[in-house]
Amino acid sequence: ETGVTQTPRHLVMGMTNKKSLKCEQHLGHNAMYWYKQSAKKPLELMFVYNFKEQTENNSVPSRFSPECPNSSHLFLHLHTLQPEDSALYLCASSQGAMAARISLTGELFFGEGSRLTVL
Amino acid sequence: EDKVVQSPLSLVVHEGDTVTLNCSYEVTNFRSLLWYKQEKKAPTFLFMLTSSGIEKKSGRLSSILDKKELFSILNITATQTGDSAVYLCAARRNTPLVFGKGTRLSVIA
Repeated sequence: ETGVTQTPRHLVMGMTNKKSLKCEQHLGHNAMYWYKQSAKKPLELMFVYNFKEQTENNSVPSRFSPECPNSSHLFLHLHTLQPEDSALYLCASSQGAMAARISLTGELFFGEGSRLTVL
Repeated sequence: EDKVVQSPLSLVVHEGDTVTLNCSYEVTNFRSLLWYKQEKKAPTFLFMLTSSGIEKKSGRLSSILDKKELFSILNITATQTGDSAVYLCAARRNTPLVFGKGTRLSVIA
Protein backbone atom coordinates (compact mmCIF):
# COMPACT_ATOMS: atom_id res chain seq x y z
CA GLU A 1 0.00 0.00 0.00
CA THR A 2 1.73 3.15 -1.19
CA GLY A 3 -0.92 5.66 -0.17
CA VAL A 4 -1.74 6.33 -3.81
CA THR A 5 -4.64 4.35 -5.23
CA GLN A 6 -5.46 4.03 -8.91
CA THR A 7 -8.55 2.60 -10.56
CA PRO A 8 -9.18 0.72 -12.67
CA ARG A 9 -6.10 -1.47 -12.60
CA HIS A 10 -6.82 -2.71 -16.10
CA LEU A 11 -8.82 -1.12 -18.89
CA VAL A 12 -9.52 -2.26 -22.42
CA MET A 13 -11.22 0.23 -24.69
CA GLY A 14 -11.99 0.81 -28.31
CA MET A 15 -10.80 3.83 -30.19
CA THR A 16 -14.19 5.50 -30.05
CA ASN A 17 -14.82 4.96 -26.33
CA LYS A 18 -14.66 7.53 -23.57
CA LYS A 19 -13.25 6.37 -20.26
CA SER A 20 -11.51 7.83 -17.23
CA LEU A 21 -8.66 6.81 -14.99
CA LYS A 22 -8.86 7.79 -11.36
CA CYS A 23 -6.16 8.45 -8.80
CA GLU A 24 -6.52 9.21 -5.11
CA GLN A 25 -3.75 9.96 -2.64
CA HIS A 26 -4.05 9.66 1.14
CA LEU A 27 -0.72 11.24 1.99
CA GLY A 28 -1.68 14.87 2.39
CA HIS A 29 0.42 15.87 -0.59
CA ASN A 30 -0.12 18.98 -2.66
CA ALA A 31 1.13 17.84 -6.02
CA MET A 32 -0.07 15.06 -8.29
CA TYR A 33 1.29 13.72 -11.55
CA TRP A 34 0.36 11.51 -14.47
CA TYR A 35 3.15 9.46 -16.06
CA LYS A 36 2.98 7.14 -19.05
CA GLN A 37 5.14 4.03 -19.10
CA SER A 38 5.48 2.27 -22.45
CA ALA A 39 7.60 -0.76 -23.16
CA LYS A 40 11.29 0.05 -23.57
CA LYS A 41 10.78 3.77 -23.00
CA PRO A 42 11.49 5.94 -19.98
CA LEU A 43 8.64 7.05 -17.80
CA GLU A 44 7.14 10.04 -19.59
CA LEU A 45 5.65 12.87 -17.62
CA MET A 46 2.24 13.90 -18.92
CA PHE A 47 0.75 16.36 -16.46
CA VAL A 48 1.56 18.00 -13.14
CA TYR A 49 -0.93 19.58 -10.77
CA ASN A 50 0.17 21.65 -7.81
CA PHE A 51 -2.52 22.78 -5.40
CA LYS A 52 -5.11 21.84 -8.03
CA GLU A 53 -3.51 24.05 -10.67
CA GLN A 54 -2.04 22.47 -13.76
CA THR A 55 1.59 23.51 -13.88
CA GLU A 56 2.91 21.28 -16.60
CA ASN A 57 1.54 19.76 -19.78
CA ASN A 58 4.22 17.92 -21.64
CA SER A 59 2.84 18.29 -25.17
CA VAL A 60 0.24 15.65 -24.50
CA PRO A 61 -2.39 15.14 -27.22
CA SER A 62 -5.80 16.58 -26.46
CA ARG A 63 -7.35 13.11 -26.45
CA PHE A 64 -5.94 12.97 -22.91
CA SER A 65 -7.68 15.40 -20.61
CA PRO A 66 -6.69 15.71 -16.95
CA GLU A 67 -8.88 16.93 -14.13
CA CYS A 68 -7.89 17.73 -10.57
CA PRO A 69 -10.91 18.66 -8.46
CA ASN A 70 -8.88 18.79 -5.23
CA SER A 71 -5.39 18.01 -3.99
CA SER A 72 -6.30 14.39 -3.24
CA HIS A 73 -7.90 13.38 -6.52
CA LEU A 74 -6.70 13.30 -10.07
CA PHE A 75 -8.45 12.01 -13.17
CA LEU A 76 -7.31 11.31 -16.69
CA HIS A 77 -10.17 11.42 -19.18
CA LEU A 78 -9.59 9.39 -22.32
CA HIS A 79 -11.33 9.97 -25.64
CA THR A 80 -10.72 8.59 -29.13
CA LEU A 81 -7.42 7.02 -28.20
CA GLN A 82 -5.06 5.28 -30.59
CA PRO A 83 -3.54 1.79 -30.23
CA GLU A 84 -0.15 3.40 -29.56
CA ASP A 85 -1.63 4.93 -26.40
CA SER A 86 -1.69 1.46 -24.86
CA ALA A 87 0.61 1.65 -21.85
CA LEU A 88 0.81 1.66 -18.08
CA TYR A 89 -0.42 4.98 -16.71
CA LEU A 90 1.09 5.82 -13.35
CA CYS A 91 -0.17 8.41 -10.97
CA ALA A 92 2.16 9.91 -8.38
CA SER A 93 2.06 12.49 -5.65
CA SER A 94 4.62 14.53 -3.78
CA GLN A 95 4.78 17.02 -0.97
CA GLY A 96 4.94 20.10 -3.15
CA ALA A 97 5.72 20.51 -6.80
CA MET A 98 6.82 24.08 -6.61
CA ALA A 99 7.37 26.47 -3.79
CA ALA A 100 9.03 29.48 -5.31
CA ARG A 101 10.35 27.05 -7.91
CA ILE A 102 12.10 24.97 -5.28
CA SER A 103 10.77 21.50 -4.59
CA LEU A 104 10.31 20.59 -0.98
CA THR A 105 11.11 16.92 -1.40
CA GLY A 106 12.52 14.71 -4.10
CA GLU A 107 10.37 11.72 -3.45
CA LEU A 108 7.42 10.79 -5.61
CA PHE A 109 4.97 8.22 -4.31
CA PHE A 110 3.52 6.15 -7.12
CA GLY A 111 0.27 4.28 -7.47
CA GLU A 112 0.10 0.75 -8.81
CA GLY A 113 -0.82 2.02 -12.25
CA SER A 114 -3.65 1.47 -14.71
CA ARG A 115 -2.79 -0.86 -17.58
CA LEU A 116 -4.57 0.52 -20.64
CA THR A 117 -5.09 -1.41 -23.86
CA VAL A 118 -6.60 0.37 -26.83
CA LEU A 119 -8.00 -1.88 -29.51
CA GLU B 1 17.26 18.28 -24.05
CA ASP B 2 17.44 16.79 -20.58
CA LYS B 3 18.19 13.10 -20.52
CA VAL B 4 19.03 10.25 -18.19
CA VAL B 5 20.79 7.16 -19.54
CA GLN B 6 20.97 3.91 -17.64
CA SER B 7 23.19 0.94 -18.32
CA PRO B 8 23.02 -1.90 -18.76
CA LEU B 9 19.41 -2.13 -19.92
CA SER B 10 19.19 -5.66 -18.60
CA LEU B 11 21.31 -7.91 -16.47
CA VAL B 12 21.09 -11.52 -15.33
CA VAL B 13 23.08 -12.63 -12.31
CA HIS B 14 23.17 -15.51 -9.85
CA GLU B 15 22.19 -15.24 -6.24
CA GLY B 16 25.07 -13.98 -4.16
CA ASP B 17 26.61 -11.91 -6.94
CA THR B 18 27.32 -8.21 -6.58
CA VAL B 19 25.93 -5.90 -9.25
CA THR B 20 26.53 -2.28 -10.20
CA LEU B 21 23.93 -0.31 -12.09
CA ASN B 22 24.91 2.89 -13.84
CA CYS B 23 23.09 6.13 -14.43
CA SER B 24 24.40 9.17 -16.28
CA TYR B 25 22.50 12.40 -16.64
CA GLU B 26 22.44 15.68 -18.52
CA VAL B 27 19.89 17.88 -16.84
CA THR B 28 19.71 21.63 -16.58
CA ASN B 29 19.25 23.03 -13.09
CA PHE B 30 20.07 19.65 -11.62
CA ARG B 31 19.06 19.27 -7.99
CA SER B 32 19.19 15.62 -7.05
CA LEU B 33 19.22 12.10 -8.35
CA LEU B 34 16.78 9.43 -7.26
CA TRP B 35 16.70 5.66 -7.54
CA TYR B 36 13.48 3.66 -7.62
CA LYS B 37 12.78 -0.07 -7.68
CA GLN B 38 9.85 -1.25 -9.81
CA GLU B 39 8.86 -4.85 -9.23
CA LYS B 40 5.40 -5.14 -10.65
CA LYS B 41 3.64 -1.84 -10.96
CA ALA B 42 4.38 0.99 -8.54
CA PRO B 43 7.99 2.22 -8.44
CA THR B 44 9.16 2.40 -4.84
CA PHE B 45 11.68 4.92 -3.64
CA LEU B 46 15.21 3.76 -2.75
CA PHE B 47 17.56 6.73 -2.48
CA MET B 48 17.83 10.42 -3.13
CA LEU B 49 21.33 11.79 -3.68
CA THR B 50 22.11 15.47 -3.58
CA SER B 51 25.77 15.74 -2.68
CA SER B 52 28.75 14.29 -4.50
CA GLY B 53 30.79 11.53 -2.94
CA ILE B 54 28.50 10.72 -0.04
CA GLU B 55 27.39 7.13 -0.10
CA LYS B 56 23.89 6.25 0.94
CA LYS B 57 23.26 2.76 2.24
CA SER B 58 20.22 0.68 2.94
CA GLY B 59 20.99 -2.92 3.81
CA ARG B 60 22.66 -4.52 0.81
CA LEU B 61 21.98 -1.54 -1.41
CA SER B 62 24.17 1.51 -1.67
CA SER B 63 24.44 4.43 -4.04
CA ILE B 64 26.74 7.33 -4.72
CA LEU B 65 26.62 10.43 -6.88
CA ASP B 66 29.39 12.13 -8.86
CA LYS B 67 28.22 15.61 -9.81
CA LYS B 68 31.42 16.40 -11.64
CA GLU B 69 31.18 13.46 -14.00
CA LEU B 70 27.36 13.52 -13.94
CA PHE B 71 26.67 9.95 -12.97
CA SER B 72 25.49 7.75 -10.17
CA ILE B 73 25.84 4.06 -9.40
CA LEU B 74 23.62 1.70 -7.48
CA ASN B 75 25.35 -1.29 -5.91
CA ILE B 76 23.62 -4.41 -4.69
CA THR B 77 25.71 -6.93 -2.80
CA ALA B 78 24.85 -10.58 -2.11
CA THR B 79 21.93 -10.40 -4.51
CA GLN B 80 18.76 -12.36 -3.81
CA THR B 81 15.91 -13.41 -6.09
CA GLY B 82 13.80 -10.75 -4.43
CA ASP B 83 16.07 -8.12 -5.91
CA SER B 84 14.75 -8.97 -9.37
CA ALA B 85 13.10 -5.80 -10.62
CA VAL B 86 13.52 -2.83 -12.90
CA TYR B 87 15.69 -0.17 -11.29
CA LEU B 88 14.87 3.36 -12.37
CA CYS B 89 17.12 6.34 -12.11
CA ALA B 90 15.64 9.83 -12.21
CA ALA B 91 17.16 13.29 -12.18
CA ARG B 92 15.32 16.11 -10.52
CA ARG B 93 15.36 19.60 -11.90
CA ASN B 94 13.13 22.04 -10.09
CA THR B 95 10.44 19.51 -10.86
CA PRO B 96 9.45 17.13 -12.15
CA LEU B 97 11.70 14.11 -12.51
CA VAL B 98 13.39 13.00 -15.75
CA PHE B 99 13.56 9.22 -15.81
CA GLY B 100 15.92 6.81 -17.49
CA LYS B 101 14.67 3.67 -19.26
CA GLY B 102 15.61 1.51 -16.33
CA THR B 103 17.81 -1.53 -15.82
CA ARG B 104 16.00 -4.84 -15.65
CA LEU B 105 17.80 -7.04 -13.12
CA SER B 106 17.06 -10.74 -12.97
CA VAL B 107 18.57 -12.73 -10.12
CA ILE B 108 18.47 -16.48 -10.60
CA ALA B 109 18.85 -19.06 -7.88
